[in-house]
Amino acid sequence: DSGVTQTPKHLITATGQRVTLRCSPRSGDLSVYWYQQSLDQGLQFLIQYYNGEERAKGNILERFSAQQFPDLHSELNLSSLELGDSALYFCASSQDGASNSPLHFGNGTRLTVT
Amino acid sequence: GESVGLHLPTLSVQEGDNSIINCAYSNSASDYFIWYKQESGKGPQFIIDIRSNMDKRQGQRVTVLLNKTVKHLSLQIAATQPGDSAVYFCAESNTGGFKTIFGAGTRLFVKA
Repeated sequence: DSGVTQTPKHLITATGQRVTLRCSPRSGDLSVYWYQQSLDQGLQFLIQYYNGEERAKGNILERFSAQQFPDLHSELNLSSLELGDSALYFCASSQDGASNSPLHFGNGTRLTVT
Repeated sequence: GESVGLHLPTLSVQEGDNSIINCAYSNSASDYFIWYKQESGKGPQFIIDIRSNMDKRQGQRVTVLLNKTVKHLSLQIAATQPGDSAVYFCAESNTGGFKTIFGAGTRLFVKA
């Protein structure tokens, strides 16, 4: 158990809808990362937060947004959903935000857009 | 741009044999490298890491080798077991650069 909690585990929704994915980082970790994993593909970095502030941005669409709250949990908001947004969304956390320690991943949220 | 790639998308080995999974990286500024294991239905799990001031690092049954000259990283698994069957990802980052970039992954099959 990595200590990172993601909810919900599965999400099925229709095109055009909006969903919110939630992540609670490992105790003591200040940094949260979001990754997208499409079928048989690698992990695409979306965005990183450190202690409530955005630290780095990757290939995140404008329809997607995220935030990290004072209690350090994070939410990833996906709007105007398209079929191609169907994927596994992983949250990871680390102690610092400087990418010099391993990331600890949750078990992901599987999003299916129909 | 930044990219981390793998030479072999799938690898099949006999139980008890050694496995070698390779990875190439393109960002010469990367100085921290990590191997992750992802089992079906789970998130990636940290296996071993290595910093650019080292060439080799050993863990329990695993060894990571780093060749900065040719920008190559490898993961060696000794006495491969059925429980090692998974997808293995290499990842690179530049400490202070805030982003960890993952490769495409290699699927390891262990035949009993």
